[in-house]
Amino acid sequence: QVQLQQWGAGLLKPSETLSLTCAVYGGSFSGYYWSWIRQPPGKGLEWIGEINHSGSTNYNPSLKSRVTISVDTSKNQFSLKLSSVTAADTAVYYCARARAPGAVAGKSWFDPWGQGTLVTVSS
Amino acid sequence: QSVLTQPPSVSGAPGQRVTISCTGSSSNIGAGYDVHWYQQLPGTAPKLLIYGNSNRPSGVPDRFSGSKSGTSASLAITGLQAEDEADYYCQSYDSSLSSYVFGTGTKVTVL
Repeated sequence: QVQLQQWGAGLLKPSETLSLTCAVYGGSFSGYYWSWIRQPPGKGLEWIGEINHSGSTNYNPSLKSRVTISVDTSKNQFSLKLSSVTAADTAVYYCARARAPGAVAGKSWFDPWGQGTLVTVSS
Repeated sequence: QSVLTQPPSVSGAPGQRVTISCTGSSSNIGAGYDVHWYQQLPGTAPKLLIYGNSNRPSGVPDRFSGSKSGTSASLAITGLQAEDEADYYCQSYDSSLSSYVFGTGTKVTVL
């Protein structure tokens, strides 16, 4: 059974770079796409981007200019960097498994999810 | 940006049936992209409830069912139980945005 465990800094100042990492345990890493999703306090979910084991990425156009997702296949880990953060980036950030091998985005869901990391941006 | 619209809240007594709608457009649900549903209990990560419009993952009770028609989808919960009190989100893909998209979320309250 696949499990995702994530970690990273929880308190940032405006203009700093958010950095989170997600490790995948107990299942295949190759072939799948792996995503980051965020949820501001009391609000809904927003997809940030995805990466596969080859390093191919897709980003939400609304965040693309500030987002970098990378992968370390030797450790079965993938990471998120979001630059120039503001208070609007305060949210719980989740990692999740996305597209299965051969699947298209239009038919893909997120399962399982990491436990979530609250990132607060405050001066 | 939530391009899928859900009612903010629905409620029902134990044992009743409730439905949650998810309304999209011709660039997402109406384009033929699948709809998936998630349950989020307070303080926890979302959990996949329905995938591919109407399929239940192993372990999800058959009280939960999904359907899709045109530019909308629905989640039905029959035999409502206290443990079903949670937030529910639909999810699809939008070709205009080139992005996965989520619904606005619906809070289910068991009276």
